[in-house]
Amino acid sequence: QVQLQESGPGLVKPSETLSLTCTVSGGSISSYYWSWIRQPPGKGLEWIGYIYYSGSTDYNPSLKSRSTISVDTSKTQFSLKLRSVTAADTAVYYCARFRWAGGHDYWGQGTLVTVSS
Amino acid sequence: QTVVTQEPSLTVSPGGTVTLTCASSTGSVTIGYYPNWFQQKPGQAPRPLIYSTTNKHSWTPARFSGSLLGGKAALTLSGVQPEDEAEYYCLLYYGGAWVFGGGTKLTVL
Repeated sequence: QVQLQESGPGLVKPSETLSLTCTVSGGSISSYYWSWIRQPPGKGLEWIGYIYYSGSTDYNPSLKSRSTISVDTSKTQFSLKLRSVTAADTAVYYCARFRWAGGHDYWGQGTLVTVSS
Repeated sequence: QTVVTQEPSLTVSPGGTVTLTCASSTGSVTIGYYPNWFQQKPGQAPRPLIYSTTNKHSWTPARFSGSLLGGKAALTLSGVQPEDEAEYYCLLYYGGAWVFGGGTKLTVL
């Protein structure tokens, strides 16, 4: 059974960089896309971007200038960096697996990141 | 900016049938938008239900079905159960980026 687990600081100061890692267990990281999705408290879901295991990426145009997603296949991990954060970036951040033949099928439990001084 | 629109809220009686829709600001939704549907209950991660318009995951109950209806993606629940009360999100593909709808709050009453 594939499992994903987000990790990283729960509190980030305004203007700093949010950094999260998703660890994949129970399955291969190869041949899949790996997504980041977020949800501000009480609001809807927002797709941030994804990375193919080989390293190619796509991003939400509204977040592209501040976002970097990377993958470390040797550690079966992928990561998100979001620069110059503001209070509007406060959200639960989810990682998920994507494949064209199965959609976004496996998700992490999510981690709350609060942007505050 | 692309906007994906869902009904903000719907109410259905137990045992009834309800259809949730997902519209695109760019025009009619087709299979090329690869519509996905998710169910989310409070405090939980979204649970995938449907991908690529009509395909169910192995865990998706048979009473859920996906389709295209009148230029929109649609999720139909037939024989609604009390545990189906939740927020439902659609997700559409725009050639390199995915966009979620705003969600539909489904009440079973």
